[in-house]
Amino acid sequence: DQQVKQNSPSLSVQEGRISILNCDYTNSMFDYFLWYKKYPAEGPTFLISISSIKDKNEDGRFTVFLNKSAKHLSLHIVPSQPGDSAVYFCAASVSRPTDSNYQLIWGAGTKLIIKP
Amino acid sequence: GAGVSQSPSNKVTEKGKDVELRCDPISGHTALYWYRQSLGQGLEFLIYFQGNSAPDKSGLPSDRFSAERTGGSVSTLTIQRTQQEDSAVYLCASSLIPQNERYTFGSGTRLTVV
Repeated sequence: DQQVKQNSPSLSVQEGRISILNCDYTNSMFDYFLWYKKYPAEGPTFLISISSIKDKNEDGRFTVFLNKSAKHLSLHIVPSQPGDSAVYFCAASVSRPTDSNYQLIWGAGTKLIIKP
Repeated sequence: GAGVSQSPSNKVTEKGKDVELRCDPISGHTALYWYRQSLGQGLEFLIYFQGNSAPDKSGLPSDRFSAERTGGSVSTLTIQRTQQEDSAVYLCASSLIPQNERYTFGSGTRLTVV
């Protein structure tokens, strides 16, 4: 049972336009969400995160929106650039500071293609 | 080191052979994770090490898979009697503390079982 779902395997966007990547989750206990970006032949790298006490977090061209009632988050990239072409993973966690076995739950990823 | 180092970067092995994959995490990172990504799939959790605690092996797909972490640093993932379905990219990640979700990943080992 997938607790974190990225329903779009791929997305194609024109350079300069907005890219919107979506992620849905089922576990209402998740309270911290992250986006990672992965280029071919490289490991994923951290991009941006958001805590459940917020509904928006912005970092340059990247903004993550969280809708807790809908259990949905999205990553907006504006404007999209060719270097943004990569696979984007959504991940979620339950903050359990005293639990040593805590870990992230990952989505399957969305491949973003930016067309010149 | 400056980043998480994995070796080899590519490994082709015959079905039935054993393989060992190595991960050298960032110095001082207490948490270490192994994931794999099969073609077209997301990240599949395999095993998690935290300090001297017993590892969380709940993601290992079969008893052919095992992992060790010596001295709280380097980790080795061993796959015995490899099968074609083991073909995947095996990713290692480390983090400073388990509650720090900002993992640093290595570049992975691409395993192909023929």
